[in-house]
Amino acid sequence: KAGVTQTPRYLIKTRGQQVTLSCSPISGHRSVSWYQQTPGQGLQFLFEYFSETQRNKGNFPGRFSGRQFSNSRSEMNVSTLELGDSALYLCASRPTSGVVEYFGPGTRLLVL
Amino acid sequence: SQELEQSPQSLIVQEGKNLTINCTSSKTLYGLYWYKQKYGEGLIFLMMLQKGGEEKSHEKITAKLDEKKQQSSLHITASQPSHAGIYLCGAETSGSRLTFGEGTQLTVNP
Repeated sequence: KAGVTQTPRYLIKTRGQQVTLSCSPISGHRSVSWYQQTPGQGLQFLFEYFSETQRNKGNFPGRFSGRQFSNSRSEMNVSTLELGDSALYLCASRPTSGVVEYFGPGTRLLVL
Repeated sequence: SQELEQSPQSLIVQEGKNLTINCTSSKTLYGLYWYKQKYGEGLIFLMMLQKGGEEKSHEKITAKLDEKKQQSSLHITASQPSHAGIYLCGAETSGSRLTFGEGTQLTVNP
C-alpha cells in the first residue's frame, strides 16, 4: 500500500496570509490526525478526523481548522498566519481498530 | 494529561558503540510506541510495547517496557550512521490517540 502523502512539501507564506495543507491517508484508513512540530514545543496534536467528523482537538487557536472528505483525504487550514506558525506539519493515519499512527513526510511551512 | 520525558535530549556516539534512550511517563503506561524521525521528515514507526516486561527487537534496536517504573528503554547495539535521527516515544491517551515525548537527537559519528 502507498503511504501517507502530504502536499505541498514546502511552503513560504507571509504574515496575515492563509494556507491550506493536504493529506491523503493510507488506503482503508479512516482516521487522520494533524500534528505541529517545532523545535521548542515538540510534536503537538492539532486535531483528528474520522469519517468526516472531528473526533479530537488539541489546544490550538481557532485559526487552525481542518476537514475530512468522504474519501478520507483531509485538509488543514491556517488563517491569519503568524511568525510562530512556522513549523513542520505532519499528518498521520491509522486503521479503525488500531492505535499505531503512520505518518506522512510533512509539510514545512515558513512564515515570513 | 500524560507527560512523557525522554532522556537524554541528545546523544553523540562513535560508530559501533551501544546506547540507551529512556522514556518515562507521568502516568500508567498502557501502550508505548517508538518512532524514528530523520530531520525534517515524517515519523517512522519502529515498535509497540503493550505489556509489562515486554521486549521487542527490530534489527539492532531493542525496546523494553517496565510497567512498574512507568518507563520504556530503547537500546541500540553496535550503532551505525544509519541509526542517526530523532527517536520519539509515544503513549496512548484517552481517545486512543498518542501523546509524544520531546524526542532524543542521536548522532553517530563514523
